[in-house]
Amino acid sequence: EVQLVESGGDLVQPGGSLRLSCVASGFTLSTYSMDWVRQAPGKGLEWLSYIDSSSNPIYYEDSLKGRFTTSRDNAKNSLYLQINSLTAEDTAVYYCARALTSGSGYYMDVWGKGTTVTVSS
Amino acid sequence: DIQMTQSPSSLYASVGDSVTITCRASQTISTNLNWYQRKPGKAPNLLIYAASSLQSGVPSRFSGSGSGTYFTLTISGLQSEDFATYYCLQSYGFPRTFGHGTKVEIK
Repeated sequence: EVQLVESGGDLVQPGGSLRLSCVASGFTLSTYSMDWVRQAPGKGLEWLSYIDSSSNPIYYEDSLKGRFTTSRDNAKNSLYLQINSLTAEDTAVYYCARALTSGSGYYMDVWGKGTTVTVSS
Repeated sequence: DIQMTQSPSSLYASVGDSVTITCRASQTISTNLNWYQRKPGKAPNLLIYAASSLQSGVPSRFSGSGSGTYFTLTISGLQSEDFATYYCLQSYGFPRTFGHGTKVEIK
């Protein structure tokens, strides 16, 4: 079964850091680009980051640059999102998603169930 | 950045109704537009990609159309399991941007 499982979400204090992980199973992560998306309580979906299958290029939502770092370890079939200087506005469920690029365009077809990050003192 | 304006933000409908949700892009995005369904506690589910292509396994009552800057998602014959929030996503350029969502609620 094709599956993505996120982990690493936690309750952290403002100013803290977290590293989220996303492990793929049922397919070879190295052949796919990946995205991170989040949804804050009561808000809509927010795209965060894209990483190519070879880790180049990597793109971020403009307001996140410098605090968020996306990386991957294809040998471990894993994707990561490092978040620094956390604020209450980062409280959200974080999803990783597999991205397909074809002649028909680009789309995220497989999503994990998400991991919850809560930033509070 | 490309802005996506989705409307309406919510709508009320009954089982069997047909509903249409629209997304407008702030610049042309060709057909680089996807639609997702989101239910509480569940991951987003891809419905439509490339503006009008139905994702495998998605019921045919879902359809998408449009190109350039104007796109629609239509649900023909709403079923009880379709009450959810729907989002468009432009995949033309980076950063990717979602619409703000349309909540489809039971009348």
